[in-house]
Amino acid sequence: DADVTQTPRNRITKTGKRIMLECSQTKGHDRMYWYRQDPGLGLRLIYYSFDVKDINKGEISDGYSVSRQAQAKFSLSLESAIPNQTALYFCATSDSKTYTGDYEQYFGPGTRLTVT
Amino acid sequence: AQSVTQLGSHVSVSEGALVLLRCNYSSSVPPYLFWYVQYPNQGLQLLLKYTTGATLVKGINGFEAEFKKSETSFHLTKPSAHMSDAAEYFCAVTIAGGTSYGKLTFGQGTILTVHP
Repeated sequence: DADVTQTPRNRITKTGKRIMLECSQTKGHDRMYWYRQDPGLGLRLIYYSFDVKDINKGEISDGYSVSRQAQAKFSLSLESAIPNQTALYFCATSDSKTYTGDYEQYFGPGTRLTVT
Repeated sequence: AQSVTQLGSHVSVSEGALVLLRCNYSSSVPPYLFWYVQYPNQGLQLLLKYTTGATLVKGINGFEAEFKKSETSFHLTKPSAHMSDAAEYFCAVTIAGGTSYGKLTFGQGTILTVHP
């Protein structure tokens, strides 16, 4: 089984709808991240959480919210979806307690979201 | 804040030819540098990373990269391209302290095409 899973893998929704993307991990990592990928722009950080009670905005948080329900679960919500939120969304995890402290991140398979 | 620039959004090589993907970074403190690969319809997979120590870093699938502080570069190379190397490659940077620690900043990505 994959260490970092995302559901759904694909989603088509309409403008104005609320949608939630879910991420779960079995790696035991304390840190979790949400990114969006757009062609030619690389990955941009939406939100990140260094533990259950520590949630922070990334560079493009407008229009998004998150919830860290447990150490292993981190959900991303679009309160009112708009077409320019059409993108590939990735969840990632990292472990702050590795002896190297290099903050390597481990990625889920992605959710392809289309807003019509 | 740190940043990454990948020179060339598309690189095309023949099978057996040298692969060179360019990455330059900007950071006011010593960086940690990463190369990730994304195969079609998959998440990101770590190729290699530089944290401290030896500046020539070897990764999976025959790839390597050299950290050159004087040139602020971390270019990715492979002596002989294989068809299976066709993918999108991302360079990323983080730092070990300050408010940005643990957060990855990604380049725009380089799509590698390998011709028979």
